[in-house]
Amino acid sequence: EPEVTQTPSHQVTQMGQEVILRCVPISNHLYFYWYRQILGQKVEFLVSFYNNEISEKSEIFDDQFSVERPDGSNFTLKIRSTKLEDSAMYFCASSESSVNTGELFFGEGSRLTVL
Amino acid sequence: AQSVTQLGSHVSVSEGALVLLRCNYSSSVPPYLFWYVQYPNQGLQLLLKYTSAATLVKGINGFEAEFKKSETSFHLTKPSAHMSDAAEYFCAVSYNQAGTALIFGKGTTLSVSS
Repeated sequence: EPEVTQTPSHQVTQMGQEVILRCVPISNHLYFYWYRQILGQKVEFLVSFYNNEISEKSEIFDDQFSVERPDGSNFTLKIRSTKLEDSAMYFCASSESSVNTGELFFGEGSRLTVL
Repeated sequence: AQSVTQLGSHVSVSEGALVLLRCNYSSSVPPYLFWYVQYPNQGLQLLLKYTSAATLVKGINGFEAEFKKSETSFHLTKPSAHMSDAAEYFCAVSYNQAGTALIFGKGTTLSVSS
């Protein structure tokens, strides 16, 4: 069964360092998303990506964040200068169509710990 | 702002008992509503979704949810809990017709005892 894969599963970094989280969406999917979940809090939408551009982003997704689909298969989330409050589980998701009709398929998550 | 509220961060039931997980949404326009489940060390998986067709929606693993506009609710139920149902359950809403963002509730952890 096709699945969304994320790497790394866990990354520990120092405050101020750049982090790149990688995702391989399901191959025929067209919509890509990043969500995050701070420990004990709700799953929060960060950004969605369609047709090689950001289609929607939340207030959380500020200038420190960027997304890229560099090679037609990977979908990456970059945090330029990490802060302590960026520590969270980051989930990548993909869907064949828009979320209202299509199902989002989530990866297992990448846990980011910022020290 | 769009939001969903899940009442009860933790629900405990006995095996074979009714499961009821509550979700209320805030909206002035018809929403699209979803329930996702997260098993330990796994990603979120869609259980069911409401997209303005039938108000009673059946999902996987014997779960169902009923959309009640008068109560702005979308509670998740299962007649008989199984040990394997122990997981975290998230209610989510989308209002954007183009539909690119899901807004999640805080989640409810379901524990099932034998």
